[in-house]
This record gives sequence, C-alpha cells and structure tokens, in this order.
Amino acid sequence: QVQLVESGGGVVQPGRSLRLSCAASGFTINTYGMHWVRQAPGKGLEWVTFISFDGNNKYFADSVKGRFTISRDNFKNTLYLQMNSLRLEDTAVYYCARDYLGSSWTFGYWGQGTLVTISS
Amino acid sequence: EIVLTQSPATLSLSPGERATLSCRASQSVGSYLAWYQQKPGQAPRLLIYDASNRASDIPPRFSGSGSGTDFTLTITSLEPEDFAIYYCQQRYSRPPLTFGGGTKVEIK
Repeated sequence: QVQLVESGGGVVQPGRSLRLSCAASGFTINTYGMHWVRQAPGKGLEWVTFISFDGNNKYFADSVKGRFTISRDNFKNTLYLQMNSLRLEDTAVYYCARDYLGSSWTFGYWGQGTLVTISS
Repeated sequence: EIVLTQSPATLSLSPGERATLSCRASQSVGSYLAWYQQKPGQAPRLLIYDASNRASDIPPRFSGSGSGTDFTLTITSLEPEDFAIYYCQQRYSRPPLTFGGGTKVEIK
C-alpha cells in the first residue's frame, strides 16, 4: 500500500539550513505529482511546494520562494525539501503528500509529518 | 490568491446528529474543491475530492456538494470517530493551492 515517511526534522537556529526527506513506497514517485504541506503549531494547513511527475514543473508558495527547493531521487524513490535561510515562522510540522489519482493537486496520501522548530 | 472561508469555526454536536459544514470561496473554483479530516496528532485524510466524490474507503455518511463559490460537507449521522477538524482546499487556481481555516466538530 502507499506509504510516505518523512524524516530530517529538528531544532535549528534562524538563518540555518535543513533538508527533509520523504521516502515513498507502494508506488513510484516519478509517476505522480508530489507536494510538501506544512502546519504551524495550533494552526491550519499551508501548501509549500510541488514537483510534477516528470520533474519539469516546480512551484512554491511566496512565503518560501527563493529559500526552499524541492527535488527527488527516483532511484531511492525519495522526495526532498531543502530549506535555507530558515525563519522563526517556518516552524511547523512538514508533511509530504501525493496527488490523488485522477485529481491532480488534491492530496490523496500523506506522510505522518516531521517537526521543524526554528529557535535561537 | 483564492481565499476559502469556512463556517462555523466550531460546531458542537452529539453523536448521531447531522453535521453541515460550509466553505465559501472568494471567487469561483468550479468543482475543484476537496475536503480533509484531521484528528489531533495525525496527518489530514482526504474525504471528498472535486466537490462531491468520496475518496477511497470513505464511508457514505460523508458527502460533499456545491460548485462555484459555495460548498458543503455533510456528515449524516456523527460517529464518535468523526469529531475532528475539517479543512476545505481548492485546486482551481494554483499556485498557490489554498486551504480554508478549518471547522472543528466537537462533542456537545
């Protein structure tokens, strides 16, 4: 069955970098669009970034544009989120999510999330 | 950016009652609206996609309706496991994808 497992979260200082990983199983990530969505503590959901199935299209929320990059390793079937110049407001649980079959940009499957805390 | 406004913020109901949740878009999103359920400490779960289609393994007590700017999620008879926060999300205009602020369905 489809499974997404995030890792890489932790506590980092403002201005530093962090890379999150999302290991996929039960499907191949180069056949679906993939996303990162975050949720600040006690807050709602915020879409962060998207990579198309073929990797040709990447989109970012304005709040992270120029600081975050999305990539994937098809051999490892793993999605990544490189986060640079981190800010206090980037503190959140970060989820990776897969497009739902037949409804792109609908989040059909989610990982369990990884917590990123930005603190001095 | 399309803004989604959910109402009410909190819905206090008893098990067995009917829940009606609203999501209003700042401009038309056609039928490109989804609903998610999130329980404490868990990832969201897709319930409804494209306004009225139930996702896999979602029980029939959940239904979605609407188009354009006004959408409704209905839970016909609340089960104990249905008490959670519900979010709507549009995919009509992207990026960015946007979510509503959520409706908490709590036990009365």
